[in-house]
Parts: sequence; structure tokens; C-alpha cells
Amino acid sequence: QVVLTQSPSASASLGASVKLTCTLSSGHSGYAIAWHQQQPEKGPRYLMQLNSDGSHTKGGGIPDRFSGSSSGAERYLTISGLQSEDEAVYYCQTWGTGTVFGGGTKLTVL
Amino acid sequence: EVQLVESGGGLVQPGGSLRLSCATSGFTFRSYWMHWVRQAPGKGLVWVSRIDGGGSIINYADSAKGRFTISRDNAKNTLYLQMNSLRAEDTAVYYCARDLTFQHWGQGTLVTVSS
Repeated sequence: QVVLTQSPSASASLGASVKLTCTLSSGHSGYAIAWHQQQPEKGPRYLMQLNSDGSHTKGGGIPDRFSGSSSGAERYLTISGLQSEDEAVYYCQTWGTGTVFGGGTKLTVL
Repeated sequence: EVQLVESGGGLVQPGGSLRLSCATSGFTFRSYWMHWVRQAPGKGLVWVSRIDGGGSIINYADSAKGRFTISRDNAKNTLYLQMNSLRAEDTAVYYCARDLTFQHWGQGTLVTVSS
């Protein structure tokens, strides 16, 4: 069973950029993932599907500030020009015989 | 516009049962995998179960096996989760979501298991 590992927290300043990481467990480096955002007191929102080659497909209405990239077993979400509303928990998720979520990274915008 | 609306949550005693519904609109329901995901207070997202468009392929997380049953009515565009033998640790907001990448989520329904 694939496992997704995320750092529990991250922080960056308003207007800066931040790169969040999701690591796939050994033997699963070819998996695609999806990134989701959960703002405080809200339900999750789909951001994008991110493939192993770095190609990604964003959801409707997701700003260009959000982008994805891949390297080996690592899947990245980069947010540029951070805004206060980007303060949220970001989850990665993948699928196979079942579905798995990472533990989430809480992003604080300073 | 794609819409997913959960209902059926509430307060239930330990050992009790509850059936959640997820009414959908704005897409061809029978063409998509559907999921249930839950989130305990202050915790992360945990996948519970999924069902394919025809209802023939079903998977459960270990925590749901034997107690929860996912189903769908493609004529009513509705997804269900029957939850039996509920425990305190099942207390969570339950979300339904569409397709393998969860491109659309409902707003969630709160299930509280307590005496």
C-alpha cells in the first residue's frame, strides 16, 4: 500500500513563494497524485492532478499562482505571490487499489 | 455546475446506525467513481470507501470494513453510506467526493457518536 508523507507545517511571508512536498513511499515513484486545499472551517477543494513527469491539470478557477512539479518520488506544490487566503492545510492524495491521503501540511502566511 | 450535497448526519449513540446520502447534480452520475472521506475534529482527511460508476467495484478502508456499506442509486443520482455499529471514533465530518482525483467535494455532514 502506498504511503504519502508530508511535513506537518510550513510558513512563508505574504507575497513570497513556498514549495510544499509530498513524498511517495518506496516502489511507488511513478504514481500521479492530486493536491487539495482546505481553508479554515471549510471543506476541501481540488487544486490539481500532478503526474510523475510534472505535467499537471488544475481545477476550474485555480489561480496561476498555483503550480506543480515532480522529481522522482517527490511531488511538489508551489504557491507564488502568497496571499492571506492561501493560509490553509494542503493535502496530497493518490489512488490505486484504494485511496490514500497524506497527513497534510498546514501553511501559515506571515 | 457540479453539486454534491451530503445529508443524514447527526447525533447517534454508540452501537447505533446512520445512513448518509450524497445528492448530486450537474454531471452524468453513473459515469464516475464516488467516494466517502471523513475528518475527525482537528484531524486530517481519511478515505473511507469508494464505488465505481456501475456499482460493481467497491473498496473500503480497514476501519470501515464489516461495518460500513457504500452504495449508489444511479436513477436518483445519489450516493449512500450505511454505517452500523458506530463507535465514538467514527465521530467526524463525512464528505462525499467525485472521481479518482476528488475533483469535486461536498460540504460535509457531521456525525457525532456519543451517549
